[in-house]
Amino acid sequence: KAGVTQTPRYLIKTRGQQVTLSCSPISGHRSVSWYQQTPGQGLQFLFEYFSETQRNKGNFPGRFSGRQFSNSRSEMNVSTLELGDSALYLCASSLGQVLETQYFGPGTRLLVL
Amino acid sequence: QKEVEQNSGPLSVPEGAIASLNCTYSDRGSQSFFWYRQYSGKSPELIMSIYSNGDKEDGRFTAQLNKASQYVSLLIRDSQPSDSATYLCASKAAGNKLTFGGGTRVLVKP
Repeated sequence: KAGVTQTPRYLIKTRGQQVTLSCSPISGHRSVSWYQQTPGQGLQFLFEYFSETQRNKGNFPGRFSGRQFSNSRSEMNVSTLELGDSALYLCASSLGQVLETQYFGPGTRLLVL
Repeated sequence: QKEVEQNSGPLSVPEGAIASLNCTYSDRGSQSFFWYRQYSGKSPELIMSIYSNGDKEDGRFTAQLNKASQYVSLLIRDSQPSDSATYLCASKAAGNKLTFGGGTRVLVKP
């Protein structure tokens, strides 16, 4: 089975711009979770989508949003970028239950200038 | 207090020795626990998952869970230089949200 794919892998934006990141889960997985990783805060949960519905949400401002399509692919959008949004954005794919493992994609490294 | 706590390290071990990593969690509702390994600049990869009290072994890795003490550990036997990485402990309570510790950096010296 193919693993989790994320595009783009690297991105440079300036403050105030918006960005859209994409994630394709493992075939058959209906849950996609998004995480932000920074040196200062570590890995933090953004949100989870399951069957096209947002099921869980972390403590991030409304500038961070997402959606999931009928083929389980997910996109994450960040509007009005701030310098502090520079991070590695990871998506994780799973079957969606509490005992199921989440498998991570390679990540998108975002640099905001 | 963070929900999942790990010693940041670095934990330095000689090649061939046992590396012992510890993790504590505060949410008593946590049901599943995971150890991920992350090399610098890469994404986390799963090493072990554990759900029940006791030990679980997979090759050179052994995970231990003690829900009464809210404690999870990972032993790496016969440590190799390729084991040098950051090890992330994570838990899940209800739902599918992973809560991560800050990670323990492990250095295996030849």
